[in-house]
Amino acid sequence: AQKITQTQPGMFVQEKEAVTLDCTYDTSDQSYGLFWYKQPSSGEMIFLIYQGSYDEQNATEGRYSLNFQKARKSANLVISASQLGDSAMYFCAMREGQLAGGTSYGKLTFGQGTILTVHP
Amino acid sequence: GAVVSQHPSWVICKSGTSVKIECRSLDFQATTMFWYRQFPKQSLMLMATSNEGSKATYEQGVEKDKFLINHASLTLSTLTVTSAHPEDSSFYICSALRGRHNHGYTFGSGTRLTVV
Repeated sequence: AQKITQTQPGMFVQEKEAVTLDCTYDTSDQSYGLFWYKQPSSGEMIFLIYQGSYDEQNATEGRYSLNFQKARKSANLVISASQLGDSAMYFCAMREGQLAGGTSYGKLTFGQGTILTVHP
Repeated sequence: GAVVSQHPSWVICKSGTSVKIECRSLDFQATTMFWYRQFPKQSLMLMATSNEGSKATYEQGVEKDKFLINHASLTLSTLTVTSAHPEDSSFYICSALRGRHNHGYTFGSGTRLTVV
């Protein structure tokens, strides 16, 4: 089973409008972290926002907010006031378990990605 | 802020040759480095996790003899693609974990490998 699922291969939004990118996850861990990254055509991975499983408030970073619904295991990214520069691939990712000793702790599992296109 | 320098940014090599990709953390010590592979318009797939001074842990299906990972110091990890073939052509990207921070991941800028 997919651990991270992004069901929207592509999304279109008008400039200045808000857009929601969907992400659902599957884990049996109590402690986990959820991330959103932006990947423009250059390939670099740009960190956008983080939500810890124990965080009670939804994370916000400027125009980005994460709609965290723990019971539904969803962590949707909301981008407000879209800009042309927001056009890129967006990835949801999950880190399971606590960061601790061991050789594989801390690895991120990525979703399939959503290509966002912002129209003028 | 934390920076991971990845080199080269792109490389073209002949089939059968080996290619080394370096990731260097410039202003912090990376306890753990992750190596990912990404095909066009697809997800990042974890290849291996390396911890300084120990052998890398490879994900299922990744050939450890083909993708050699060395993490000789807290600031440098290398991925060597040995006897490269056209099917190894891909985008390779590293990520360094900074200590025990919850979201302390820093990615390199990636390497586009083309094997001809």
